[in-house]
Amino acid sequence: QTVVTQEPSLTVSPGGTVTLTCASGTGAVTSGYFPNWFQQKPGQAPRPLIYSTTNRHSWTPARFSGSLLGGKAALTLSGVQPEDEAQYYCLLYYSGAQLGVFGGGTKLTVL
Amino acid sequence: QVQLVQSGAEVKKPGASVKVSCKASGYSFTNYGISWVRQAPGQGPEWMGWISVYNDNTNYAQKFQGRVTMTTDTSTTTAYMELRSLRSDDSAVYYCARQLTAVTNYGVDVWGQGTTVTVSS
Repeated sequence: QTVVTQEPSLTVSPGGTVTLTCASGTGAVTSGYFPNWFQQKPGQAPRPLIYSTTNRHSWTPARFSGSLLGGKAALTLSGVQPEDEAQYYCLLYYSGAQLGVFGGGTKLTVL
Repeated sequence: QVQLVQSGAEVKKPGASVKVSCKASGYSFTNYGISWVRQAPGQGPEWMGWISVYNDNTNYAQKFQGRVTMTTDTSTTTAYMELRSLRSDDSAVYYCARQLTAVTNYGVDVWGQGTTVTVSS
């Protein structure tokens, strides 16, 4: 089973900027892995934020942006709000986009 | 509006099977795939597999191969996920999610509300 790795936890100040990353155990992440990002708060289903590396869903605030950075998928939050405190998960697709693997998640604290 | 409504909570004994349903509404069912994801208590989400409603192609995570079957019924716009030979570590919330396209996998958007499956003797 392929391992997808995220930072276990990050802390950011309100109004600041933070970047979360998502690495693949098979090597560099490219656009062909179609990275997706999700936000999850306690008791709720994961909420999709970004699909196919850079694309926001219609409900995703503009302060969330996706990219590729140093061989990893990245999610950058700019102008962080207190309500952004949550768990964040990435999802990569393998084998010609047929199989998905979630990362272990990053707990983002806004302090 | 686009909605996925899942069946209610289940309690099963070890070795039994569970079949979770996911009723779609508000969109053309055959134009999108359905993925299934589960999340055990205190753990991150786990991708289980997906089905193309368009052509019934399925792909399952290796971990679930031989134990899971995903199907759809286009007449009732409902997707199903059956998991067999249940173990205690299958206790989790099971989600269906709509894929962005019919036959490829580059993301999901709308999620069901989740179905809690508890496996206990």
